[in-house]
Amino acid sequence: NAGVTQTPKFRVLKTGQSMTLLCAQDMNHEYMYWYRQDPGMGLRLIHYSVGEGTTAKGEVPDGYNVSRLKKQNFLLGLESAAPSQTSVYFCASSYGVREQYFGPGTRLTVT
Amino acid sequence: AQSVAQPEDQVNVAEGNPLTVKCTYSVSGNPYLFWYVQYPNRGLQFLLKYITGDNLVKGSYGFEAEFNKSQTSFHLKKPSALVSDSALYFCAVRDTNRDDKIIFGKGTRLHILP
Repeated sequence: NAGVTQTPKFRVLKTGQSMTLLCAQDMNHEYMYWYRQDPGMGLRLIHYSVGEGTTAKGEVPDGYNVSRLKKQNFLLGLESAAPSQTSVYFCASSYGVREQYFGPGTRLTVT
Repeated sequence: AQSVAQPEDQVNVAEGNPLTVKCTYSVSGNPYLFWYVQYPNRGLQFLLKYITGDNLVKGSYGFEAEFNKSQTSFHLKKPSALVSDSALYFCAVRDTNRDDKIIFGKGTRLHILP
């Protein structure tokens, strides 16, 4: 039982490049979330999903897209990376409205 | 709109002393409240939650929190602090009257002094 896993763990992008972050969970959770963590800002919700095939915007969705084609996976895409997207990205999942389980994070630097 | 506030960026406590990390919230309906802890270079770990029932909830590592509806607070407490409790703590709230988003506070860094 791996819980929530994220790939990659680290990535450096140049401005304008694209990438996809992958989140996988093996707990059969319906709900999945993507957050970014910046110093002094806490965790801010980017997008979330309440089930396979559904997604919704969070607090800071601009510049990101997501897909939930399979229940266990939640992908976060950056189509054209900007320095303002330098951050640590966390994925989480939950059984309904209960507590969330977090992945180890992806540290992204955009130069 | 739902919101959560952690008024202290940092709390310093001597080892062995009781600790409190404060959290207040604002929701339109009934709240689901959570505390999480984050150690350096790690993801967040769930500590405890309040959904309904007793106002005092107990969680992992000896932590507890008291739900106070009149003061809209959910402060995290521990009777005797350990150096290993030093970490970043987040309070979070979900508004049962609204959508499925959960909002996090900005976090409080807890330093336990030996």
